[in-house]
Amino acid sequence: AQKVTQAQTEISVVEKEDVTLDCVYETRDTTYYLFWYKQPPSGELVFLIRRNSFDEQNEISGRYSWNFQKSTSSFNFTITASQVVDSAVYFCALSSPRGFQKLVFGTGTRLLVSP
Amino acid sequence: DAGVTQSPTHLIKTRGQQVTLRCSPKSGHDTVSWYQQALGQGPQFIFQYYEEEERQRGNFPDRFSGHQFPNYSSELNVNALLLGDSALYLCASSSVGASYEQYFGPGTRLTVT
Repeated sequence: AQKVTQAQTEISVVEKEDVTLDCVYETRDTTYYLFWYKQPPSGELVFLIRRNSFDEQNEISGRYSWNFQKSTSSFNFTITASQVVDSAVYFCALSSPRGFQKLVFGTGTRLLVSP
Repeated sequence: DAGVTQSPTHLIKTRGQQVTLRCSPKSGHDTVSWYQQALGQGPQFIFQYYEEEERQRGNFPDRFSGHQFPNYSSELNVNALLLGDSALYLCASSSVGASYEQYFGPGTRLTVT
């Protein structure tokens, strides 16, 4: 069975602080995809990144960066110099071709960035 | 190019009633998946439709059923509503050739009283 664990329920930071959101996954598939989504209060899921299991290169996009480590089954997400607009719930998710790419989500981490 | 659309936006129903939610996939997409997101939880996979058939189903009772039409749009039906069915229902679409790339709609918030 596939599983995604986001142990951090809620994180509070002050603007301009760096923050890392943790994600640990479980799967027996050798081919799989990992995702991060942002969910603002409006409820819509905003896609942030997708990585496949064969690409362990870390990725940076502006203030966002992702660290994928197969050895520890982790796919962590770091926001540098956080801003109030980053306040949202962030979900890590996993899918695989064997499961027709159905997404298995973690329980989410609520990030509160105060001015 | 319209993205994934869902209707209605909000819905209030009474326990025991039936409800139908609708989803139109992104242009060019042929696969529709439905997810239920209870308050404070991550989305849970309900089922997926492709070629007008249910291709995969999550751990949801038979009260949850769906349909996909020839134009690829989809409906989610829930019978005998329970208070616990109150949730945000999300629809995601993809194409069979790039099924790892799913686009989500804005969701339908269902409240059962």
